[in-house]
Formats: sequence, structure tokens, C-alpha cells
Amino acid sequence: DIQMTQSPSTLSASVGDRVTITCRASQSISSWLAWYQQKPGKAPKLLIYDASSLESGVPSRFSGSGSGTEFTLTISSLQPDDFATYYCQQYNSYSVFGQGTKVEIK
Amino acid sequence: QLQLQESGPGLVKPSETLSLTCTVSGGSISSSSYYWGWIRQPPGKGLEWIGSIYYSGSTYYNPSLKSRVTISVDTSKNQFSLKLSSVTAADTAVYYCARHSYYYDSSGYKGLSWFDPWGQGTLVTVSS
Repeated sequence: DIQMTQSPSTLSASVGDRVTITCRASQSISSWLAWYQQKPGKAPKLLIYDASSLESGVPSRFSGSGSGTEFTLTISSLQPDDFATYYCQQYNSYSVFGQGTKVEIK
Repeated sequence: QLQLQESGPGLVKPSETLSLTCTVSGGSISSSSYYWGWIRQPPGKGLEWIGSIYYSGSTYYNPSLKSRVTISVDTSKNQFSLKLSSVTAADTAVYYCARHSYYYDSSGYKGLSWFDPWGQGTLVTVSS
């Protein structure tokens, strides 16, 4: 089974900060990775697919990179609406999500 | 605009079967371009994929849940359903339905990919 490990688990940041979240796979998953944003009481929202493709309608301050086993989600300038929990999902073999990274206000 | 809505009992007794339905509106569940999936999230925890179905009835299940899960589709009603048997308190979660895309890689292998959009989710509590 492929395991997905996100780091950090919690991240404290301020509006305007550049934020990077890392997702590591236990084996190579090529570029078969997506990123989601989830706010309390809401369903996850797709941000990035195929590791680096921005979903339509998602602000360009979000970007994804990586391949193989290491991936990053970057928010270039954190906005008030971006405080949320972020999940990665590998789909190289079935679907497995990371444990999540909570981005909170510093 | 495609929308999905989960429905079903919010309380299920231990050892019984959890049953949920997802109704798709604003698009056809018979689209050849997508699967339809179930994902759950225990309170305060992360996301777990349960399984997905194609309009033809072809299914993929999470191996860790496969022995207890049945997903079915009713194209006439534009719905798909989840049954999870022999539930315990560990099955207490918010259950989401979502459209599940798929891809073909360079070798022709078909794999399921990302989920979008999602339903709003429904909390199912397992308790006597």
C-alpha cells in the first residue's frame, strides 16, 4: 500500500506569507497527485491535479510541483480565505489521502 | 452546474448496515467520462476513499473495506448508493459522494484520479 505523509501537520502563518506544504509518497507515484482545500464543516475543494495543473477557477497564487515521491503545494501570498486544512491525494494506486495540514493564523 | 447530494439515516446501530444514496443533478450519471465515488471522514480526522462505480456498474473498492462495501448505480434515477455492512463505532464519519475522474497512462492502464465536485456530506453516527 502507498502511504502519503504530509508535513507539517500544522502551519502558523500571516497574511501575505509564502506557504509551502510537502507531501511524500512511500513509493513513486509519477505525477498522479491532487491537492484539496477543506474549510470547517465543508467538503474538500479540488485545487491542483496531476501534481501541477491548476483547477479552473482556483486563484493563481496556488501552485503545485513535484514528481516521483516528493510534492509541494505553494501559496505565494497567503490570503484570509486560505486559512484551512489542505490534503494531498495519490491516485497511482487506488486513492489514498495524506493526513492533512492545517494552516492557521499566526 | 453539477451538484451531488447525499441522503440516508444519520444514526445506525452497531452490526447493522449503513445505507446512503447520492443524487446527481445538473448532469448525467451515465457520462462515459467519469466514475462516481464515496469518501468518508471521521470527526476531526482525515479522508478515506471507500469505493467508486461507473455507470455500467463496474466498481473499484478500497481493499481495506472491500469485504463490507457494496456500491450500486441507478441510471434511471441519476443516483448511486453505498452499503456498508457490520458497522461499528469506527464507521462513524461524514460520508461524501463525489464525481471521480479517470485517466489512461502511456501504457494504456486506466486509473481513477481526482474527485470533483463533492457533495456537502452527511454525518452518520454508529451507536445503539
